[in-house]
Parts: sequence; C-alpha cells; structure tokens
Amino acid sequence: GESVGLHLPTLSVQEGDNSIINCAYSNSASDYFIWYKQESGKGPQFIIDIRSNMDKRQGQRVTVLLNKTVKHLSLQIAATQPGDSAVYFCAENMGDYKLSFGAGTTVTVRA
Amino acid sequence: SQTIHQWPATLVQPVGSPLSLECTVEGTSNPNLYWYRQAAGRGLQLLFYSVGIGQISSEVPQNLSASRPQDRQFILSSKKLLLSDSGFYLCAWSVQNYGYTFGSGTRLTVV
Repeated sequence: GESVGLHLPTLSVQEGDNSIINCAYSNSASDYFIWYKQESGKGPQFIIDIRSNMDKRQGQRVTVLLNKTVKHLSLQIAATQPGDSAVYFCAENMGDYKLSFGAGTTVTVRA
Repeated sequence: SQTIHQWPATLVQPVGSPLSLECTVEGTSNPNLYWYRQAAGRGLQLLFYSVGIGQISSEVPQNLSASRPQDRQFILSSKKLLLSDSGFYLCAWSVQNYGYTFGSGTRLTVV
C-alpha cells in the first residue's frame, strides 16, 4: 500500500498568495523525497527533491521543507500563479529502487 | 540530455484483446525503468520495475506483464485485457535511485 499521504486533498489559493502543500510519510528509513506537479492528461513533472540529510531546499519560487522528527514534508510555492493549478504529489524513496506516492493534492488558483 | 518516449498517447481496446505499450529512454545507460498505473483522481501505483535487461520485478498481481528486451526499452503487455485494466499508464526512469522522470503517459480505455 501507499505509505505517503497528504493532509488535504484540495487547496484553493488566491493568485499572488503563497501556497503550502503538506505530506506525511511513514517510513523513517526513507532517504529521498520528491515533489511532482501533474497537469490534466499529462505525466508528473519533477518540481524539486530533497535528501534526508537536508531540512530545506529552495528552487525557483518553490521551497521544500523536511521534518524528519515528525516525518513531514511540505512544498511552498511563492506568489502562486494560474499556471500552478495542478495536482501535486509527494513521493518517498522506499529503497530497493522504488518510489511510493501519496494520493495527491489538487491546487486551484483563483484569479 | 535524457528523454523518455512513451506511446501511444491514447488507446481504446476491446475486452479480451492484447496490449503492448512501449517506452524508450534516450541519453542514458542502464537506467532503472518503471511502469505505473494511475486511476482517475488517484495516486500512482507501481506495477513493474527493472534494474537491467531481462530483470523484471512485479509489485502487484495482475493481468499485465512487462519485459525489457533492450537496455533502454520497457514494454507493458497483456494477453487479454479486462475492463479493470483501464487507466493512465506511465513509464518512468531513474539512475542510481534518484531523479525519477516520467513519460507523457498512455490513456487506456478497455471497452
């Protein structure tokens, strides 16, 4: 079964505001995490990743935070734009070459 | 640069017919290859993965099989499709268990 789950299935955010998407994972031995963005009818697109030896990693308008103590992962999107509307998945490296995905959070950006 | 090709983009097949979906990767050697299935509005379920030519690991019992005849080619097959095989099928690759990249997906409808 899936060991990575998301706290909220949907998120509505005003254009220009910051978005925060949360994810809980259960495998304390996981050492690598990825956030993906999936638009309707397309494959998941890599956004940002983080290894377990880090707490924070920043990309262009995105930041991933990892709290290993409570096994929590979050994705922050700065100045959310209409093009950010999509389903966001967190994924956890379970070892043995496999990723486990959560069910996804649907982000809708309001104009 | 590395690219992944997956085809066809959409497919409608009758129940009981065979299936063959193909995925190829360019620009890398000895990648790990994966087949995922995604039901509508759901997360990604790992079906098969391969760490080398002829090496296939199955994650869930099902009506499907996978083969890897060449280093950068991964094929998903079925001898007789079921209605429950409908879904969005995604191929992915990784190197050294990091940086999973997905193809554009195949929407399969079994009628």
